[in-house]
Amino acid sequence: QKEVEQDPGPLSVPEGAIVSLNCTYSNSAFQYFMWYRQYSRKGPELLMYTYSSGNKEDGRFTAQVDKSSKYISLFIRDSQPSDSATYLCAMRAGTASKLTFGTGTRLQVTL
Amino acid sequence: DTAVSQTPKYLVTQMGNDKSIKCEQNLGHDTMYWYKQDSKKFLKIMFSYNNKELIINETVPNRFSPKSPDKAHLNLHINSLELGDSAVYFCASSQWDRESYTFGSGTRLTVV
Repeated sequence: QKEVEQDPGPLSVPEGAIVSLNCTYSNSAFQYFMWYRQYSRKGPELLMYTYSSGNKEDGRFTAQVDKSSKYISLFIRDSQPSDSATYLCAMRAGTASKLTFGTGTRLQVTL
Repeated sequence: DTAVSQTPKYLVTQMGNDKSIKCEQNLGHDTMYWYKQDSKKFLKIMFSYNNKELIINETVPNRFSPKSPDKAHLNLHINSLELGDSAVYFCASSQWDRESYTFGSGTRLTVV
């Protein structure tokens, strides 16, 4: 079983929809939680970062962490075709430890 | 442009060959990484260097040898390439105590 589980999708939604992307994890030592977006043939780029439990909002994006359930989410409001990409969750225990990625969820936002 | 740049972008080579991938960052970061992304998009860390010192070395075959001549460069040399080495290799950099990694665009390696 992988340390971080993520549904690979693909997830197809119409433009304007609210998208919910999720990851579960098994390592209770994880404290730092990130979401990366990866366009086709490009490297991942950091979207959101959260430390410990709670919510964080940035424009149309909201990241949620529930450490008690070992569950993190990324919500995208008013989704746009330009949001079509693979979304990877990532997490680590401390600043000195490795970043562990989920397998990524492929999102397609259609017109 | 401030970035993490990798060369080459594409590499097609025969089994048994030796090849190198180069990575350079001009972001002033002190930590650099090599990640391997397989066909299912799973990103797995291979190596991490902080100030030219190896700090993470996952269970990677010893055919893979990283080298960091300075903080801004991290190269990856692969000996005796195998079919299973076909993947996209990403270089990344960060500041040691910061959460944000900056990734390069990847090197797509195909072993035939």
